[in-house]
Amino acid sequence: NAGVTQTPKFRILKIGQSMTLQCTQDMNHNYMYWYRQDPGMGLKLIYYSVGAGITDKGEVPNGYNVSRSTTEDFPLRLELAAPSQTSVYFCASNPPDTRGVNEQFFGPGTRLTVL
Amino acid sequence: QKEVEQNSGPLSVPEGAIASLNCTYSDRGSQSFFWYRQYSGKSPELIMSIYSNGDKEDGRFTAQLNKASQYVSLLIRDSQPSDSATYLCAVKGSGTASKLTFGTGTRLQVTL
Repeated sequence: NAGVTQTPKFRILKIGQSMTLQCTQDMNHNYMYWYRQDPGMGLKLIYYSVGAGITDKGEVPNGYNVSRSTTEDFPLRLELAAPSQTSVYFCASNPPDTRGVNEQFFGPGTRLTVL
Repeated sequence: QKEVEQNSGPLSVPEGAIASLNCTYSDRGSQSFFWYRQYSGKSPELIMSIYSNGDKEDGRFTAQLNKASQYVSLLIRDSQPSDSATYLCAVKGSGTASKLTFGTGTRLQVTL
């Protein structure tokens, strides 16, 4: 198993450009998440999904969109990139809770800079 | 707003000593508690989880939970330079979808 994979690893965008961050997991996990992590900070939840066709907003959804057409893929779309979206983006997944067990498996991250 | 708070550090301990990392949370309905380790430039990895009051030991790591005080801690015995990293406390609150709220992390430095 490759686990959770993310592409690209690095990207520089100009203000106003758009892009899609890709996330794929091969563990057949229902739950998937997108986080951003600013320097010296913890992880902030952007969007999450409990299964194909179901998505919901997290703590910081403004400026982002997601879709979940398959169990494996959970792309994150940035429209009209802004400098405030400069961050490291992590995708994570886990199977449904089993007695509260909730190990989220993280991808390697995408480092995005908006200039 | 559900909050998880940690001292950002850095916490500096000599090699072989015990490192103690602390975390408080605001949501009394929280069910599950996790410690993730994050090396610089890398993604978080789970090192401990705890669900019931008391202590849980795994090798050199011990997680402690006190729900009445809304407090969870991580002890690292015989600290090694390879333990130098940022430790993120995460809490699963009441509700669904396994959402976690993360603290800002404590940076641990183990000195020779």
